[in-house]
Amino acid sequence: QQQVKQSPQSLIVQKGGISIINCAYENTAFDYFPWYQQFPGKGPALLIAIRPDVSEKKEGRFTISFNKSAKQFSLHIMDSQPGDSATYFCAASSSYNNNDMRFGAGTRLTVKP
Amino acid sequence: DAGVIQSPRHEVTEMGQEVTLRCKPISGHNSLFWYRQTMMRGLELLIYFNNNVPIDDSGMPEDRFSAKMPNASFSTLKIQPSEPRDSAVYFCASSLFSGGLADTQYFGPGTRLTVL
Repeated sequence: QQQVKQSPQSLIVQKGGISIINCAYENTAFDYFPWYQQFPGKGPALLIAIRPDVSEKKEGRFTISFNKSAKQFSLHIMDSQPGDSATYFCAASSSYNNNDMRFGAGTRLTVKP
Repeated sequence: DAGVIQSPRHEVTEMGQEVTLRCKPISGHNSLFWYRQTMMRGLELLIYFNNNVPIDDSGMPEDRFSAKMPNASFSTLKIQPSEPRDSAVYFCASSLFSGGLADTQYFGPGTRLTVL
């Protein structure tokens, strides 16, 4: 029943390195793909989002790459910092299904100083 | 602007007791979602409302769980009777859905429920 598959489950990166998290989806009706960042004890917070009419979106050090034909999207964190250490969730939702959002299983990112 | 407000932030109860979790969505938002988060199962959608009407409750684990949204600014998730396996963090989220494009869901801080 999992509609969004996320990998890796955990990731360790050195400070200044690039963190890459991948997601794949099945439902072609999905038309909104957000990434959420969650710190311990907090709720998920929107980090960056993309719609399928573009292949890439960049906001500061964070970039989403989107491949509609492959039904895959990924998050790249450039110049990773220890403060980026958190759990990251990809998600997908469909306008045709009342904005029902499906989440990936999450990636625990650790950025070592 | 106030975000999504949830109460209580922490709840410890004994098996068999009734638990009520509360949520106030962002003003102006018309969609409200209840999620449960555990290490084993990740983030699970339990139920969501559009314009105070329950749209999909297929994620509600069993009849012990019920949710209501009596008005646009308040929702409750009730567990009766509670069981230890219900221990989790429960999140409420809200969004503005106009029938057009899907949009961002904004999450509250969560309620950490422990059932002994």
